[in-house]
Amino acid sequence: DAKTTQPNSMESNEEEPVHLPCNHSTISGTDYIHWYRQLPSQGPEYVIHGLTSNVNNRMASLAIAEDRKSSTLILHRATLRDAAVYYCILRDVGDDKIIFGKGTRLHILP
Amino acid sequence: DAMVIQNPRYQVTQFGKPVTLSCSQTLNHNVMYWYQQKSSQAPKLLFHYYDKDFNNEADTPDNFQSRRPNTSFCFLDIRSPGLGDAAMYLCATSARRGSPNEQFFGPGTRLTVL
Repeated sequence: DAKTTQPNSMESNEEEPVHLPCNHSTISGTDYIHWYRQLPSQGPEYVIHGLTSNVNNRMASLAIAEDRKSSTLILHRATLRDAAVYYCILRDVGDDKIIFGKGTRLHILP
Repeated sequence: DAMVIQNPRYQVTQFGKPVTLSCSQTLNHNVMYWYQQKSSQAPKLLFHYYDKDFNNEADTPDNFQSRRPNTSFCFLDIRSPGLGDAAMYLCATSARRGSPNEQFFGPGTRLTVL
């Protein structure tokens, strides 16, 4: 499986944008970039995914580098509820599975 | 609301006493997954079903078994729990195989082994 590298933890102030980086230098052409997050004491939840182009949804934006070797999850205005572990995951188009890495623990400061 | 339900949320068992965790879904999804998540670690896939087709991960211990009697229900059986099996067990579903199909997770069952 292709690997991703994320910072162990990050801090941000409430109501400010947050940029969560992910490196995936060995990404293949058929790997989708997925982001999930896990709030305390809950199961993971889907955030966003993309293949080549930047993506926006109601939760976040995903910015994908032109060479696809890195991506950034953008939370436009962090709230305390966004404090969670954020997982950047590569999934091949034919892959049923999610293989979670260590993720980034995001702390939001009031 | 359509969802993934796990019961119970907390389960206590004794060392070596078989235990079954259950998962049900109202999403009518074809794929169901079981993950194990130990404290401060990422979820680790144990196995998954595509419909009735069972797919075991290579490093899942034989102590862990699963049953999927119908589309809605999936069970995780731990035949002889050890202290190292204490963890959160997460069930997830997906409508179809492959990426980018989203996985929907239940709230998990926290298993304690005494």
